[in-house]
Amino acid sequence: EAQVTQNPRYLITVTGKKLTVTCSQNMNHEYMSWYRQDPGLGLRQIYYSMNVEVTDKGDVPEGYKVSRKEKRNFPLILESPSPNQTSLYFCASSLFRQGRDEQFFGPGTRLTVL
Amino acid sequence: TQLLEQSPQFLSIQEGENLTVYCNSSSVFSSLQWYRQEPGEGPVLLVTVVTGGEVKKLKRLTFQFGDARKDSSLHITAAQPGDTGLYLCAGMNTGNQFYFGTGTSLTVIP
Repeated sequence: EAQVTQNPRYLITVTGKKLTVTCSQNMNHEYMSWYRQDPGLGLRQIYYSMNVEVTDKGDVPEGYKVSRKEKRNFPLILESPSPNQTSLYFCASSLFRQGRDEQFFGPGTRLTVL
Repeated sequence: TQLLEQSPQFLSIQEGENLTVYCNSSSVFSSLQWYRQEPGEGPVLLVTVVTGGEVKKLKRLTFQFGDARKDSSLHITAAQPGDTGLYLCAGMNTGNQFYFGTGTSLTVIP
């Protein structure tokens, strides 16, 4: 089954404790992206990647890191989480083609930073 | 940076009514997509429009891309309870970055 998987689905942590949210897709998509969703703000792009070893900042990259060592994986790293990073996070992948292709979203990771 | 503004933010209507959701921007987009999101799930694509003035229909849903490729609308005819959800527009700029609208939460009351 074609899908994007994220882990964990739920995470409660404390300020300053490094964490990684994994994302994996099995559709051989070039484009992968991380978003955060907050009430009243819609989805905001954190980082995106056009292909292996190519990553770019989105609209709200501060406090986040990503890597794209393999085509299928795109982990999101929070080196020192803070309470303002409490949010619902989505990973997505796409064939891209000038943004005309569907972005397939993972099930989401709900992160709470205390 | 909120490049795409959606209106209304919330909409509650009776089954059978018609409605229109708007997605506006001062920026030009090479393509614009509409997604629907249900609680606890990721967004799912409804349609992509790429040409200024383009109109696409998906059963009772009609999507239009503005002539200048800065705005779009979604019209639902005879809304049904199954249409309930969060509707999101999304556009891509020339830098391969996606911007999502603020979202319209639709509730259709049986």
